[in-house]
Amino acid sequence: DIQMTQSPSAMSASVGDRVTITCRASQGINNYLAWFQQKPGKVPKPLIYAASSLQSGVPSRFSGSGSGTEFTLTISNLQPEDFATYYCLHHKSYPRTFGQGTKVEIK
Amino acid sequence: QVQLVQSGAEVKKPGASVKVSCKASGYTFTDYYIHWVRQAPGQGLEWMGWINPNSGGTNYAQKFQGRVTMTRDTSITTAYMELSRLRSDDTAVYYCARDSSSRPFDYWGQGTLITVSS
Repeated sequence: DIQMTQSPSAMSASVGDRVTITCRASQGINNYLAWFQQKPGKVPKPLIYAASSLQSGVPSRFSGSGSGTEFTLTISNLQPEDFATYYCLHHKSYPRTFGQGTKVEIK
Repeated sequence: QVQLVQSGAEVKKPGASVKVSCKASGYTFTDYYIHWVRQAPGQGLEWMGWINPNSGGTNYAQKFQGRVTMTRDTSITTAYMELSRLRSDDTAVYYCARDSSSRPFDYWGQGTLITVSS
């Protein structure tokens, strides 16, 4: 099974900051990587698919990059509504696996 | 618009079974796989498996093999996930999600809280 490891597990940041979250796959997954945002008590929201493609309606301050085993989600100019937990997901094969999540908190 | 509407919260006793439904609308039901993902309180997301609404074929995570059954009824565009021999650590919110090979989990149901308690 492919394991997904996110770092950091939590971080504090301020409005306006640039935030980078990393997701590493235990083996190469090409660009079969998606990112999701989840707020407490809410349904996960898809942000990015195919490592770098923005889902419709997602603000352009979100961006994704990477291929193979290392991927990043970057939020430029962090906004109050961006404080949430972020998950990566590989979809190269089965079983699908999520990263453990990165909680972005207000500093 | 695409919608996935799940059945309501349930409380079950250990050893019982639960069946959660996921009613799809706004797209051709048989064109997209339906996956099930769960989230225990305060924990991350865990993939459980999928069903192909067209063929009825399934693929389950090894962890749930023998306890989970995913089915569908194409006449009412609804997918189901049944989990048997429930334990307290099965307490979680269960989500269905639509999936395509290029855009995984692009639409989600609202979630169904299953509480397992004696």
